[in-house]
Amino acid sequence: EDQVTQSPEALRLQEGESSSLNCSYTVSGLRGLFWYRQDPGKGPEFLFTLYSAGEEKEKERLKATLTKKESFLHITAPKPEDSATYLCAGYSSASKIIFGSGTRLSIRP
Amino acid sequence: DTAVSQTPKYLVTQMGNDKSIKCEQNLGHDTMYWYKQDSKKFLKIMFSYNNKELIINETVPNRFSPKSPDKAHLNLHINSLELGDSAVYFCASSTGGLSNQPQHFGDGTRLSIL
Repeated sequence: EDQVTQSPEALRLQEGESSSLNCSYTVSGLRGLFWYRQDPGKGPEFLFTLYSAGEEKEKERLKATLTKKESFLHITAPKPEDSATYLCAGYSSASKIIFGSGTRLSIRP
Repeated sequence: DTAVSQTPKYLVTQMGNDKSIKCEQNLGHDTMYWYKQDSKKFLKIMFSYNNKELIINETVPNRFSPKSPDKAHLNLHINSLELGDSAVYFCASSTGGLSNQPQHFGDGTRLSIL
């Protein structure tokens, strides 16, 4: 069965303290790995799509990478406004999208 | 400009009632979705429509009935509401039918059943 698992569930960092969020997946015939950011009371906001192992994408302090088994979202020198829940999702060859339960990130000033 | 908008934002109602949630997108997308996000934050797809045609119908009680009057609108009607229906329901849209194009989400409808 297709599955996406994110770790840790919650992460608290000091402002400026870099770290990584993990997304492990078992998705048949992965055709895309998505990262979203979700703020409280809001819908998920699209960040990146990765299509193949070895691919990397960057946006401001965020960099997403993909291997054949997992994806990482690296956050460099985070700021309090980066606090949110980060969701990853895998898109399978059977045209199914499977979301993980997210990592709740808190950045302390 | 709101890209994907849902109404209402909050819905509090009694068990057994019937209610509807509306969704509209102005992105020109041809595919729309309904998701349910439970208390553990898992987003699970319920339905998807492409150009008004139902293309995904996951294992959802038949009390839930989606309707797409045109490709910019997707509504969700729920009959005989139960306590377990309490959740946040998100509408989303994308382009290219069922594809690996990113989905754009509304801000959700928080449904609470008393």
